[in-house]
Amino acid sequence: DVKVTQSSRYLVKRTGEKVFLECVQDMDHENMFWYRQDPGLGLRLIYFSYDVKMKEKGDIPEGYSVSREKKERFSLILESASTNQTSMYLCASSLGGTSGTNEQFFGPGTRLTVL
Amino acid sequence: TQLLEQSPQFLSIQEGENLTVYCNSSSVFSSLQWYRQEPGEGPVLLVTVVTGGEVKKLKRLTFQFGDARKDSSLHITAAQPGDTGLYLCAGADTNAGKSTFGDGTTLTVKP
Repeated sequence: DVKVTQSSRYLVKRTGEKVFLECVQDMDHENMFWYRQDPGLGLRLIYFSYDVKMKEKGDIPEGYSVSREKKERFSLILESASTNQTSMYLCASSLGGTSGTNEQFFGPGTRLTVL
Repeated sequence: TQLLEQSPQFLSIQEGENLTVYCNSSSVFSSLQWYRQEPGEGPVLLVTVVTGGEVKKLKRLTFQFGDARKDSSLHITAAQPGDTGLYLCAGADTNAGKSTFGDGTTLTVKP
């Protein structure tokens, strides 16, 4: 079974702090994703990566950056956290390539609160 | 931008009842996934449908992909409290490597 792990389940930070959210997958997947999930707004894609050191902006990249130095690890960075970034953050991975179905496997999520 | 609309947004039923959740779009997808998410956890993949008109069954859950691959439905027979959760559909754009998610249907099954 694919396993996607996230570094923290719960995180509390202060406005202006730099925040790192880490995600690791163990199935050699090409693609990795970061979403945020808010009530009434569904899952919104922040960034995705289709290869090491490759990234593509999603629907809401403002205020975030990402890093993928190794295939199994995808990091989400909040350069200066703000209260409107309080949310549930979900990491996912998928096999990749153009012949697959893009089935995504999710981590347990990190609930981030910015005070 | 591809959009997926799910309906209903909320559904509260008694144990033993049947229900159907719909996922509709004006876009064609190469495949479509259904996920279930429990509170405080990440979504878990239930099924993938690929071929127009395809029907897949997973115990009491029946998934159908529309003939034109623009819509899908999830039917649950004799719902159980354990079926409670958020059901999400996602349409895959394989060429782009991304998926579009619906806003979800929150299902509550009361004992």
